[in-house]
Amino acid sequence: DVKVTQSSRYLVKRTGEKVFLECVQDMDHENMFWYRQDPGLGLRLIYFSYDVKMKEKGDIPEGYSVSREKKERFSLILESASTNQTSMYLCASSFGLAGGTDTQYFGPGTRLTVL
Amino acid sequence: AQRVTQPEKLLSVFKGAPVELKCNYSYSGSPELFWYVQYSRQRLQLLLRHISRESIKGFTADLNKGETSFHLKKPFAQEEDSAMYYCALTDFGNEKLTFGTGTRLTIIP
Repeated sequence: DVKVTQSSRYLVKRTGEKVFLECVQDMDHENMFWYRQDPGLGLRLIYFSYDVKMKEKGDIPEGYSVSREKKERFSLILESASTNQTSMYLCASSFGLAGGTDTQYFGPGTRLTVL
Repeated sequence: AQRVTQPEKLLSVFKGAPVELKCNYSYSGSPELFWYVQYSRQRLQLLLRHISRESIKGFTADLNKGETSFHLKKPFAQEEDSAMYYCALTDFGNEKLTFGTGTRLTIIP
């Protein structure tokens, strides 16, 4: 069974703080993703990584950065948190099929509140 | 740009009645379509994908390229089908998904 874990279920931070969200997968997956989930807006891709130290911007990368130093770990960084970054953050991973699109496996989510 | 539209934010259906969750997409390439589901207090998970052409938990979805739709259907709703459903799209072989805004399905006992 694929296991994707996220470091916190709930997080409360103040405006201007630097915030780290951690995600770890245990299935040797190539691809890892960070989404934010907002009511009425669905899931929106923030960043995507297809290999160690490799990253691609998603649809809403502004205000975020990522780090992937090890294959199993993908971190999302909010350099200076703002109230409009209050959201549910979901991490996902996938194996990476040649010539196909693999199933994405999701973590439980981190609900971040920025005051 | 690719886009996924789920026109219903909320859908309520009586137990035993048929269910149809609508999904329309705009994309000019070779699309791959998926349905993901999130049950209460559970993780988001894949329900089905059009390439597999399989029925999962009684749900089916047919890709209609002429109408650019991928509606999710089930002939008889069950209470355990209550959940949030997301339709998702990607280009064939691409790993990045574009999700719709989701439909919250409630089955009325």
